[in-house]
Amino acid sequence: IAGITQAPTSQILAAGRRMTLRCTQDMRHNAMYWYRQDLGLGLRLIHYSNTAGTTGKGEVPDGYSVSRANTDDFPLTLASAVPSQTSVYFCASSDPGTSREQFFGPGTRLTVL
Amino acid sequence: KNEVEQSPQNLTAQEGEFITINCSYSVGISALHWLQQHPGGGIVSLFMLSSGKKKHGRLIATINIQEKHSSLHITASHPRDSAVYICAVESSTLVFGAGTILRVKS
Repeated sequence: IAGITQAPTSQILAAGRRMTLRCTQDMRHNAMYWYRQDLGLGLRLIHYSNTAGTTGKGEVPDGYSVSRANTDDFPLTLASAVPSQTSVYFCASSDPGTSREQFFGPGTRLTVL
Repeated sequence: KNEVEQSPQNLTAQEGEFITINCSYSVGISALHWLQQHPGGGIVSLFMLSSGKKKHGRLIATINIQEKHSSLHITASHPRDSAVYICAVESSTLVFGAGTILRVKS
C-alpha cells in the first residue's frame, strides 16, 4: 500500500441495506477523516478521528458511524442507507504533529436506489 | 452565507494566460488550504498557508489574514491545469469552498 486507499471504488446499493466503506493508510498518520462530496456543495466532513480509539462528529454525521480500532483503518458504516446518501465519499489522513496537510484517498462513488 | 466563498465558480482560459482564483472566508482560521481535484476525481493538496505567500512552480498562493482573503494564481497556464481548485479554511476542522472549475484551452 502506498498512501491511502479506499474500497470499494463504486457501489450501487438498495435503500435500507447496510454498507461499510473501507479506508486504510500506511503513513502512520494520527488523524483521519471522512468527507462526502456533492455537486455544488463541496466537501463536507462526516466524522473524524484525531487518534486511534477516538472519534468525533463532523458537519453531517447523521446516518453514519465510524470506528478507529487502530492507526491504519477508519471504516465508515451506513447502517440503513437512504437515497440522500448517494454521493462520492473521500477518506483523508493527516499528521497534525508535523504537517496539517491532508492526504486524500481516491474516493468511493456510492449510489443508493 | 457560506463560511468559505470562492470566485469565480467557472473559469475558461486560453493557454498561456495568467489565472487568479479567489477565496473569501468569514471565520477565524489557523490556516488556509488550496487543493486540486483532477477530472478523474483525485484530490491533492497544493498549499497550506497561514500568512504571506507561497510559490510552487507556476502556482502562487497568497493570503491576507486581516481581509480574510486568499488568492491562487497560475502563471503561463496549460491545458493540464484544467481541474477543480478548492479552498478550505482550518479552525478545528477543514471547511471547504464549493470549488472553482478551471478549463484551459489550447
